[in-house]
Amino acid sequence: GQNIDQPTEMTATEGAIVQINCTYQTSGFNGLFWYQQHAGEAPTFLSYNVLDGLEEKGRFSSFLSRSKGYSYLLLKELQMKDSASYLCAVSVDYKLSFGAGTTVTVRA
Amino acid sequence: AAGVIQSPRHLIKEKRETATLKCYPIPRHDTVYWYQQGPGQDPQFLISFYEKMQSDKGSIPDRFSAQQFSDYHSELNMSSLELGDSALYFCASSLNVMNTEAFFGQGTRLTVV
Repeated sequence: GQNIDQPTEMTATEGAIVQINCTYQTSGFNGLFWYQQHAGEAPTFLSYNVLDGLEEKGRFSSFLSRSKGYSYLLLKELQMKDSASYLCAVSVDYKLSFGAGTTVTVRA
Repeated sequence: AAGVIQSPRHLIKEKRETATLKCYPIPRHDTVYWYQQGPGQDPQFLISFYEKMQSDKGSIPDRFSAQQFSDYHSELNMSSLELGDSALYFCASSLNVMNTEAFFGQGTRLTVV
């Protein structure tokens, strides 16, 4: 399998900013995805990076550095509904390999 | 907008029984992926299809088989079910095998008793 590492848990306050890091070691890299998953539900697509740099989508931004095997997902203006698991997934040979996910808890 | 449809949403089977899970991709998506997610685990890739042909295979047991039909829907057939097969099974579809965006269905929760 692929080596994909991300923190297990993070806690932040409503309105704050949280950055979830993801490092990977792989060959045949086709891109990196971030998904949000609430317990018992399907992963929901958040972002896709294939080139180095920052992709911004509203309150969520994702960054990729292919040379460093590194990505992060930035969540701004946190809301209670953002409490979920965030999965970093690397596309290798056009199939997704997932990290274990980071559980983000947003507190009032 | 139409999403990936999976059926059934929930399924309870006994050991050694057979189960069939169905996936209907987003219209015009010709690539389908199957994932298995155990409790507290990340999704594990099982198998994928592109244009009705198997395009890749992951950690799918020999007891499982799958196919993609002419209308691009896919079925995952699971035989000789074991307790350890209890999991959420997700299907995802993308516009093509380059999977620039893969969208997931709501999943089928399989419980083997």
